Amino acid sequence: QVQLQESGPGLVKPSGTLSLTCAVSGVSISSSYWWTWVRQPPGKGLEWIGEILHTGSTNYNTSLQSRVHISLDKSKNQFSLKLTSVTATDTAVYFCARIESEEWFHPWGQGTLVTVSS
Amino acid sequence: DVQMTQSPSALSASVGDRVTLTCRASQSISTYLNWYQQKPGKAPELLIYTASSLQYGVPSRFSGGGSGTDFTLTISRLQPEDFATYYCQQSYSAPRTFGQGTRLEMK
Repeated sequence: QVQLQESGPGLVKPSGTLSLTCAVSGVSISSSYWWTWVRQPPGKGLEWIGEILHTGSTNYNTSLQSRVHISLDKSKNQFSLKLTSVTATDTAVYFCARIESEEWFHPWGQGTLVTVSS
Repeated sequence: DVQMTQSPSALSASVGDRVTLTCRASQSISTYLNWYQQKPGKAPELLIYTASSLQYGVPSRFSGGGSGTDFTLTISRLQPEDFATYYCQQSYSAPRTFGQGTRLEMK
């Protein structure tokens, strides 16, 4: 059974860097999947942030591209998200997920709330 | 970017009703369309992939249809656990985009 679990600081200061990790169990992160991050501001809809392939290739949402970086840590079977120069509008629940058949997101992690505030 | 528009934004219905939710893409996306259900405080869960394929373990009262730009998610007989928010998502081209969601409420 594949499971994903997000972790990281729940509070980040404005202009700082948001850093999250998604620990994967039940499958090797080196297998042929894309891995992705999605976020959801409080009371709002879902926004795709970006994705990374087991080879390290990445794609990012054009609206965030200048501030986002996704990486793999194969030794720990996890992948990470870094978002720089954060503002209050980056406050959201951040989810990680596996992309199956390069198309649909399944399964998802439970999500972690990150608040940007001083 | 492919824009996804869901309608209605909210829908009130009763247990046992048949409901149909709609998702429209700003350009043709073939059948690269997926549906998710999200309950408050929970992660989204995959219901339907490639427009009409039912995810393993999802009840057969859920069905999806459509191709090109217009898609539907139908719940044949609403159950109490079906009251949630539903999102469509296109995987035809990057960036992957979601619809704004349809909130299904109990009447």
